[in-house]
Amino acid sequence: GAGVSQSPSNKVTEKGKDVELRCDPISGHTALYWYRQSLGQGLEFLIYFQGNSAPDKSGLPSDRFSAERTGGSVSTLTIQRTQQEDSAVYLCASRLDFTSTGELFFGEGSRLTVL
Amino acid sequence: DQQVKQNSPSLSVQEGRISILNCDYTNSMFDYFLWYKKYPAEGPTFLISISSIKDKNEDGRFTVFLNKSAKHLSLHIVPSQPGDSAVYFCAASDPGTSGTYKYIFGTGTRLKVLA
Repeated sequence: GAGVSQSPSNKVTEKGKDVELRCDPISGHTALYWYRQSLGQGLEFLIYFQGNSAPDKSGLPSDRFSAERTGGSVSTLTIQRTQQEDSAVYLCASRLDFTSTGELFFGEGSRLTVL
Repeated sequence: DQQVKQNSPSLSVQEGRISILNCDYTNSMFDYFLWYKKYPAEGPTFLISISSIKDKNEDGRFTVFLNKSAKHLSLHIVPSQPGDSAVYFCAASDPGTSGTYKYIFGTGTRLKVLA
């Protein structure tokens, strides 16, 4: 498809397990962002991949969270030893050119529930 | 600290009337601002944007106003329609020291348009 694709759309896991969330951005987009939206909250910035430069990880809430972007395309957000407070919708977005402003295109999100 | 603030968590407006959604920011370096609309279980979709060199941008029923001295922007929707009922997020682009444009979102305002 032409849009940002995220998988899985829903994930239920037990506390303490690791989870991986995948984002397939729009082809050719050099900027990729991860945000999360907890229940009743806004969009919390997590991490930003900007071309081949080092990512901005300033929003990751703890060292249990990590993300990779392989080959400048697909990104994986990994949460280790999940906790109940990690339950949220994780949203991925991409943008054409990280060196200028422009519209962010969002995926539909991955809803994570930690029991 | 919340650099982009939407102080009204919710707003109700009669169909046909004007909806005004407000957003305040603290960082004078923000140079580009966007509004997104989000329906439940969907990703946010882009509505309208404005560069910091302008004070108004209009697109159909949607107009965004920027007051740089007050660090305030607003989204006007006129006339409001029931299909406009959604959560609206404002966002600001932070060029940072290396010009890589991190996007920061507010907490959202839930708009309900009453038929």
